[in-house]
Amino acid sequence: ETVLTQSPATLSLSPGERATLSCSASQSVTTYLAWYQQKPGQAPRLLIFDASNRVTGIPARFSGSGSGTDFTLTISSLEAEDFAVYYCQQRYNWPPTFGPGTKVDIK
Amino acid sequence: VQLVESGGGLVQPGGSLRISCEAAGFPFVEYAMHWVRQVPGKGLEWVSGISWNSETIRYADSVKGRFTISRDNAKRSLFLIMNSLRPEDTALYYCAKDYYGGDPLYGFNIWGQGTRITVS
Repeated sequence: ETVLTQSPATLSLSPGERATLSCSASQSVTTYLAWYQQKPGQAPRLLIFDASNRVTGIPARFSGSGSGTDFTLTISSLEAEDFAVYYCQQRYNWPPTFGPGTKVDIK
Repeated sequence: VQLVESGGGLVQPGGSLRISCEAAGFPFVEYAMHWVRQVPGKGLEWVSGISWNSETIRYADSVKGRFTISRDNAKRSLFLIMNSLRPEDTALYYCAKDYYGGDPLYGFNIWGQGTRITVS
């Protein structure tokens, strides 16, 4: 199966700072990669699908990029509600798999 | 738009359980549906998916032969029957709507709140 590795495991930043989260796949997933946000006690929320497409209603400060094996989720200026765990997920290779997550916490 | 799971609980190893998910606020019949689980404090694992017409059904290797997914479009409901449960099946089980449409393409844009299953 395709293993997704996310880095860093934890990212400590202040509100207003830029967050850059990475997701690396063990084999190519072309652009079939999604990003989810999960807050404590809540279900995941889809932010980005197919590497760079923002879901309707997701703020423009969230952007995704990448293809093949290397992907990036960027939050241009962190808001208080953005501190959460972020997961990447691929759907190109069977079975669909998730990364272990990056926790973005307040510095 | 919401998904509401039910039916979780405590079950002994080797036991069985059936969990359900009721959908509201979107055309349930038009979308594939999935079960995704999460061990508390850990990551996410896709478990099973079913197409709108139940013709395409897939399972993760970890549950194949033990779990059965089904749906009732008239009742806007998704089900998961879990047999031969193991301690490693302990998790929060989420029902999730496929983002893309009637065939399972494995993007999950609507999630329920989850139902907790403990195998012990």
